[in-house]
Amino acid sequence: RKEVEQDPGPFNVPEGATVAFNCTYSNSASQSFFWYRQDCRKEPKLLMSVYSSGNEDGRFTAQLNRASQYISLLIRDSKLSDSATYLCVVNRAGTASKLTFGTGTRLQVTL
Amino acid sequence: NAGVTQTPKFRVLKTGQSMTLLCAQDMNHEYMYWYRQDPGMGLRLIHYSVGEGTTAKGEVPDGYNVSRLKKQNFLLGLESAAPSQTSVYFCASSYPSGLPGETQYFGPGTRLLVL
Repeated sequence: RKEVEQDPGPFNVPEGATVAFNCTYSNSASQSFFWYRQDCRKEPKLLMSVYSSGNEDGRFTAQLNRASQYISLLIRDSKLSDSATYLCVVNRAGTASKLTFGTGTRLQVTL
Repeated sequence: NAGVTQTPKFRVLKTGQSMTLLCAQDMNHEYMYWYRQDPGMGLRLIHYSVGEGTTAKGEVPDGYNVSRLKKQNFLLGLESAAPSQTSVYFCASSYPSGLPGETQYFGPGTRLLVL
């Protein structure tokens, strides 16, 4: 079983739609959780951290469920510019901040 | 600030050739990382460094060596390239905040094709 699992998609949604991605992680000792965004042929960039209480950044809302070991990302009012691959990322505390990346969920927003 | 830069952007090698990928960061970050990204696999950690003069193995270190002689540079070496090392290589850096999971900043990547 992969440490971080995501539905690869693609999710094809019209502009203005609401879309949600889920991610599950296998290591219950994981302490930090993130969503990164990766555009085609570009480097990953941090979209947002995910906190136990849930957090929101504009149209983006992230939730963490430690009991069920899953993380979610909700995008409201989708824009064409949201088209990208969204990487679920989990960290285990250690000497360095080693991250485990999911394979990503591809989102395509269309007119 | 240039952030994290990588050299070269693209390279084609023949099996058995060697090369060095250079990563440089100007953010005074202590930690640096090398990842590879393959289709369907996600990013996987090759080697990392928690400071100048230190390196450690990641998830997939075989066939690679690294050096961190200067804080701002992290070099990834392939001594004898194999087709299985065809991949996109990303360098990243972070500043230890004392909390788990500091933000990692990525370079633009190096696309390597081994024939």
